[in-house]
Amino acid sequence: QKEVEQNSGPLSVPEGAIASLNCTYSDRVSQSFFWYRQYSGKSPELIMSIYSNGDKEDGRFTAQLNKASQYVSLLIRDSQPSDSATYLCAVNRPGGYNKLIFGAGTRLAVHP
Amino acid sequence: KAGVTQTPRYLIKTRGQQVTLSCSPISGHRSVSWYQQTPGQGLQFLFEYFSETQRNKGNFPGRFSGRQFSNSRSEMNVSTLELGDSALYLCASSLRQNTEAFFGQGTRLTVV
Repeated sequence: QKEVEQNSGPLSVPEGAIASLNCTYSDRVSQSFFWYRQYSGKSPELIMSIYSNGDKEDGRFTAQLNKASQYVSLLIRDSQPSDSATYLCAVNRPGGYNKLIFGAGTRLAVHP
Repeated sequence: KAGVTQTPRYLIKTRGQQVTLSCSPISGHRSVSWYQQTPGQGLQFLFEYFSETQRNKGNFPGRFSGRQFSNSRSEMNVSTLELGDSALYLCASSLRQNTEAFFGQGTRLTVV
C-alpha cells in the first residue's frame, strides 16, 4: 500500500463546475497536509495547507480533512481552464521534520 | 520577498561525471529539503537540512549528498552519474518544522 494515494485521472470537468480531488494516506499519525498544483514543465506550487479536521477555504479552493478516515480532499469551485494541471497531495508526519510524502498526483482537465 | 532560487535551471552531464546543484531558500527560512521528480517515481524526498544539519534522509544511494551553509543556502551533489539520475531536482524551503514548504523552479538534469 502506498503511503499517499491519489486517483491519477484525468479528471475532466466542464468550465464553471466543481472539481473534487481526493487523497488517502496510510500513516494515522500524519499531522500536516498540503495540496500543490503543478503545471506541465513547472515546479509544484502550494495552494492549500490544512492541519486539523474540517474544512479550510481560500477563494475558490476548499480543503477538507478527516483524520479518522485518513482522507483529505480539495474542492475547486467555478473551475477554469487555467486550473488544468496536476494536483499533488502531500503529507508530513510528526517527527518527520519537513519530509513530505507525495501522492502520484491527479491530472485535472477543465474544458470550456 | 524573493522566492526559492535554484541554479542552474538546466544541466546536461555525461555518465560517470558529478554535478552540484544550488538552492537559496526564502529569506528567514532555515529548513531546506531536496526532492527528485521523475515520470516513473513521482516526487521523492532526498534529504532535509536545518541549521547546517541533515535531519532526515530519503532512500537514495550514497552518491547523493548535500550540505547547508550558515546562510541557509544549500547544495546537493550527485557523483558518478547514471542515466537513471535524469530528473527534475527540486528544492523547497520551510520556516520551521511541519510547516508549508515552498518550491524553487527546479534544476532539470539530463544524463547522457
